[in-house]
Amino acid sequence: DAGVTQSPTHLIKTRGQQVTLRCSPKSGHDTVSWYQQALGQGPQFIFQYYEEEERQRGNFPDRFSGHQFPNYSSELNVNALLLGDSALYLCASSLWPSTGTYGYTFGSGTRLTVV
Amino acid sequence: ILNVEQSPQSLHVQEGDSTNFTCSFPSSNFYALHWYRWETAKSPEALFVMTLNGDEKKKGRISATLNTKEGYSYLYIKGSQPEDSATYLCAFPMDSSYKLIFGSGTRLLVRP
Repeated sequence: DAGVTQSPTHLIKTRGQQVTLRCSPKSGHDTVSWYQQALGQGPQFIFQYYEEEERQRGNFPDRFSGHQFPNYSSELNVNALLLGDSALYLCASSLWPSTGTYGYTFGSGTRLTVV
Repeated sequence: ILNVEQSPQSLHVQEGDSTNFTCSFPSSNFYALHWYRWETAKSPEALFVMTLNGDEKKKGRISATLNTKEGYSYLYIKGSQPEDSATYLCAFPMDSSYKLIFGSGTRLLVRP
């Protein structure tokens, strides 16, 4: 049973460009959350998708947007990239509302470098 | 602003040593407390989800306790092994949506 799959694993982009990161949740999970982890910090919540809608959003600018598809997979889009967007982007899936009991299943992340 | 604090930031121990680290979180509006283990180049893995004051959970040599009234959780590793080397993260859901606030982690290195 595959866990959470993220692609690509690494990405280098230039300032001002746009990027799309992809996530396939664990089989049976219907909720996808995205986190950004900068060096030396814990993961920071970006947003959460359930039933193809953004349900919760963290303190991130509108340059960060997302989408969830009918098969529960999700994309994270970042426009007008800044150097400060360089980070590890983690996708986490869960089955609503059992996250409180079982926690999230995480992917291994996409390392984004903005130059 | 909700903060989750973890200490120490890093820890180096010898194989066979027992060790523990702390997670502090806001004691009001408690929903749950999550512990994750994150090995280098792998995905964070859920260790425990704790919901009740006084909860104590165990998984092999790793155990955790929870005090919701004073806002802390301890993670214990008995007889550390090199394969326990990882970053241990705790996370606190802000609300019932389970949007997690993470601490910055405790990085454990177990020397053979």
